[in-house]
Amino acid sequence: AQKVTQAQTEISVVEKEDVTLDCVYETRDTTYYLFWYKQPPSGELVFLIRRNSFDEQNEISGRYSWNFQKSTSSFNFTITASQVVDSAVYFCALSEARVQGAQKLVFGQGTRLTINP
Amino acid sequence: ETGVTQTPRHLVMGMTNKKSLKCEQHLGHNAMYWYKQSAKKPLELMFVYSLEERVENNSVPSRFSPECPNSSHLFLHLHTLQPEDSALYLCASSQDWTGGTGELFFGEGSRLTVL
Repeated sequence: AQKVTQAQTEISVVEKEDVTLDCVYETRDTTYYLFWYKQPPSGELVFLIRRNSFDEQNEISGRYSWNFQKSTSSFNFTITASQVVDSAVYFCALSEARVQGAQKLVFGQGTRLTINP
Repeated sequence: ETGVTQTPRHLVMGMTNKKSLKCEQHLGHNAMYWYKQSAKKPLELMFVYSLEERVENNSVPSRFSPECPNSSHLFLHLHTLQPEDSALYLCASSQDWTGGTGELFFGEGSRLTVL
């Protein structure tokens, strides 16, 4: 069975600090996809990134970076120089690798991130 | 028009009521989903409709009944709900992801309160 664990329920930092959100996953699949989504107060989940299990390169997008380590089954998300607008709930998710068809994402419990001015 | 629209945004109902949640996607996608978000549980996939296939989470009670009349519309019919069914119900859509990013597009959710 697939499982995603986000051990940090809530994180609160002061603006401009760097913050890392942890994600640990479990799967028996040899190929799979990992995702991060952001949920602002408005409610909708916003896609941030998808990572294939066979691609362990870290990725950077502006102030966001992701560290995928297959050896430890982790897919951590770092925000550099955090801003108040980064305040949201962040979800890590996992799905089997499917060539086509609907996806069935398994989500972690989410981490509520609060950036204080 | 936003990509995925859900109505109503807020719904309060008694345990004996019958109501429906509606979702519409304007993205030309061919898969739609219902997720349940409770206060203390991870997002839970309830139903998936993909290319006329329906996939269910076997743990979803029969008092929740989905309907997908076409690829753009998805309903969740609610009947004889319990207070523990109070949650945020999120609709999402995606495109058959051969060559795609595998991204789900979510609506803003329908906040359901069962009294």
